[in-house]
Amino acid sequence: DQQVKQNSPSLSVQEGRISILNCDYTNSMFDYFLWYKKYPAEGPTFLISISSIKDKNEDGRFTVFLNKSAKHLSLHIVPSQPGDSAVYFCAASGLTGGYNKLIFGAGTRLAVHP
Amino acid sequence: GAGVSQSPSNKVTEKGKDVELRCDPISGHTALYWYRQRLGQGLEFLIYFQGNSAPDKSGLPSDRFSAERTGESVSTLTIQRTQQEDSAVYLCASSLSRGSNQPQHFGDGTRLSIL
Repeated sequence: DQQVKQNSPSLSVQEGRISILNCDYTNSMFDYFLWYKKYPAEGPTFLISISSIKDKNEDGRFTVFLNKSAKHLSLHIVPSQPGDSAVYFCAASGLTGGYNKLIFGAGTRLAVHP
Repeated sequence: GAGVSQSPSNKVTEKGKDVELRCDPISGHTALYWYRQRLGQGLEFLIYFQGNSAPDKSGLPSDRFSAERTGESVSTLTIQRTQQEDSAVYLCASSLSRGSNQPQHFGDGTRLSIL
């Protein structure tokens, strides 16, 4: 039972263009959503998050949009740079049993080419 | 160091052997988490520590898996009688507290290969 889904395993974007990574979830009890970026042989690095009470959060080139009615969130990267090439994981959390258990999607591999 | 540290970075062992994986969280972080990532998949939650206690062990795949944390710091994940399906990257994360608005900070993981 996948509660968090990233349906695109890979995405290729030209440098300078917008990258849009998508994520769907099924559990309406999630109250926080996070995006992590992962390079090979390294652990995931926190990128940006959004509370379920908001619909947009922006941090520099990165913006996360949340559509609660559709149970969908997306990460926009503008402009995309070659250094953004990595695997991006969407994660959702809620105080399940009193703690912050993250449920991860399978990831989307982003390739930004010159 | 400033980040979460895990050791060893790589471990190759024969089926049936026991392995112990170590995690040093960020100093002052009370919450500690273990995850597993199999090839081509997302991260799978294993266990969570708040201080030295583990309120939820339901993510552990079998009774061959156990974990402990001492001094509200170092944690070890032990896998007994390893099987080939245990091959994965084991990731540790810590956060300042257990709140859902607290990002988890990950180590680089231990890549475990069972022959």
